[in-house]
Amino acid sequence: IAGITQAPTSQILAAGRRMTLRCTQDMRHNAMYWYRQDLGLGLRLIHYSNTAGTTGKGEVPDGYSVSRANTDDFPLTLASAVPSQTSVYFCASSMGTVPDNEQFFGPGTRLTVL
Amino acid sequence: EDQVTQSPEALRLQEGESSSLNCSYTVSGLRGLFWYRQDPGKGPEFLFTLYSAGEEKEKERLKATLTKKESFLHITAPKPEDSATYLCAVQAGTSGTYKYIFGTGTRLKVLA
Repeated sequence: IAGITQAPTSQILAAGRRMTLRCTQDMRHNAMYWYRQDLGLGLRLIHYSNTAGTTGKGEVPDGYSVSRANTDDFPLTLASAVPSQTSVYFCASSMGTVPDNEQFFGPGTRLTVL
Repeated sequence: EDQVTQSPEALRLQEGESSSLNCSYTVSGLRGLFWYRQDPGKGPEFLFTLYSAGEEKEKERLKATLTKKESFLHITAPKPEDSATYLCAVQAGTSGTYKYIFGTGTRLKVLA
């Protein structure tokens, strides 16, 4: 089934630990995105990638890093987790970055940092 | 400052009671306005893209419209299965750089 998969579904993490959230799409989309969703704040863009090999910073990039070694995978790494990174993380993809390219979202990863 | 504001935050309707959700925006260089539906515990699901003032799009009981400062999502004769959070987002910016800004959503509950 075509779409986006994220792993893990949920995770409880001790502060200071390193964590990588995985995201894979099989739609051969060029662009991929990472968002966090917090109550009352809505979805905020963390990092994006317009095509394999390139990445860019979104609205809230501090404390996160990404890589885009190939078209399908776009992992998000928290080098040293802090409690303020407790959130639901969504990965998304689109064919391109022009406005008529809708974004397809994954099911999300619920992360709790203690 | 670029901003997207949705109202109301929450809305309860009786089945069949039509209403509208609002998305107002202040951005420079609007490239597109998007509506998504999000069910609890799931990722957003795309509904519509609007590009320019005066444009309208329809899908089943939903119709989205766009002016220069706001967009409306009209829900005609809603059913309980239309209950969800509806998110508005705008893409703005110039060639080479862009922003994708989401509103905080309207939580819709349709009662049978």
